[in-house]
Amino acid sequence: NAGVMQNPRHLVRRRGQEARLRCSPMKGHSHVYWYRQLPEEGLKFMVYLQKENIIDESGMPKERFSAEFPKEGPSILRIQQVVRGDSAAYFCASSPGQGLNEKLFFGSGTQLSVL
Amino acid sequence: AQTVTQSQPEMSVQEAETVTLSCTYDTSESDYYLFWYKQPPSRQMILVIRQEAYKQQNATENRFSVNFQKAAKSFSLKISDSQLGDAAMYFCAYMNRDDKIIFGKGTRLHILP
Repeated sequence: NAGVMQNPRHLVRRRGQEARLRCSPMKGHSHVYWYRQLPEEGLKFMVYLQKENIIDESGMPKERFSAEFPKEGPSILRIQQVVRGDSAAYFCASSPGQGLNEKLFFGSGTQLSVL
Repeated sequence: AQTVTQSQPEMSVQEAETVTLSCTYDTSESDYYLFWYKQPPSRQMILVIRQEAYKQQNATENRFSVNFQKAAKSFSLKISDSQLGDAAMYFCAYMNRDDKIIFGKGTRLHILP
């Protein structure tokens, strides 16, 4: 049973480009969470999704950031017109369902570097 | 709003010795989970130990144990017989019914040979 898969592991973008980060949850998991980690900081919640639904996006910046979790395929975190401040490690986590987050599993993260 | 505070940015311990990492949290909820995660240089977030708030008994996992003081809102992690592989960032985390996990800023643990 493969764990949470994130790709790419490293992503380099120039200012103004778009970044797309992918997350495939563990088999049988229908809930996905995205977190951002700045250097020497803890993980900060961004968004919580179920298949085709955004449940909680209270941690998402109001502009340029969006997330989706389609019926088929991975969850995507999309950052438009990236700026240097977007450089961070972005982690995805998945769980079997609401109220079962004691079974939350994390991917290895995508390190985004904006030049 | 819930918060998690780790007051020790860095700690060091001699190999084979015991070390305790501190964590306090703030919440008005009565039902929640607390976690300690380990993040080695590989960046993988590894769940070390988990505690349900309704359980009075402190959780243990081999060399790792917690001291959960619900009234004081304290959740410290004790690592016994420290090993070189324990060197990592350790994050204390809180989760309640809204299913968001809130992390502290972390404690970097160094193991001295």
